[in-house]
Amino acid sequence: TQLLEQSPQFLSIQEGENLTVYCNSSSVFSSLQWYRQEPGEGPVLLVTVVTGGEVKKLKRLTFQFGDARKDSSLHITAAQPGDTGLYLCAGARGQGGKLIFGQGTELSVKP
Amino acid sequence: EAGVAQSPRYKIIEKRQSVAFWCNPISGHATLYWYQQILGQGPKLLIQFQNNGVVDDSQLPKDRFSAERLKGVDSTLKIQPAKLEDSAVYLCASSFAGGRFYEQYFGPGTRLTVT
Repeated sequence: TQLLEQSPQFLSIQEGENLTVYCNSSSVFSSLQWYRQEPGEGPVLLVTVVTGGEVKKLKRLTFQFGDARKDSSLHITAAQPGDTGLYLCAGARGQGGKLIFGQGTELSVKP
Repeated sequence: EAGVAQSPRYKIIEKRQSVAFWCNPISGHATLYWYQQILGQGPKLLIQFQNNGVVDDSQLPKDRFSAERLKGVDSTLKIQPAKLEDSAVYLCASSFAGGRFYEQYFGPGTRLTVT
């Protein structure tokens, strides 16, 4: 059972385009994190969202946590080749620090 | 601040052989995690340590996988004997136990190929 479903799984776009990645679940999470992973490297934390309805911006990246804390989205404006990588959402439930990861969205931005 | 260190970065072994991976977390991070990441999938938690105690090992295949963190700092993950389906990237992560949101910091991973 995949608790966190990410869509799309693959995305190939041209430089300058906008895109949105979705992370959905039927479960409530106390917090949700987004990571980016480049080939041959470990995931790197981009942001943590905690409050339902919360919106956080990181330069051209906008992250939103759903009102019910069951889903999240990542929007990238004017994508650049440097944005290429695997985007992972991960939800934390209860105490203890255990994260449940989605299967990832593989983004390729072509110049 | 030094990040999470892992070694080796790559390992190729034959099935039924043994292999061990090493991880040194960020200084001061009490919680350490080992994940398995199969190509095209998100990381799957194998085991979580708090200092030198096991918090969660529910998804660790204990018939062949073992892990220890004897002094509450660095950790070793072992596979004995390896199977073809163990081919994956093994990620180590650490977090500050007092952190409110459990942000985890990952090492570069060890890519294991079992032939």
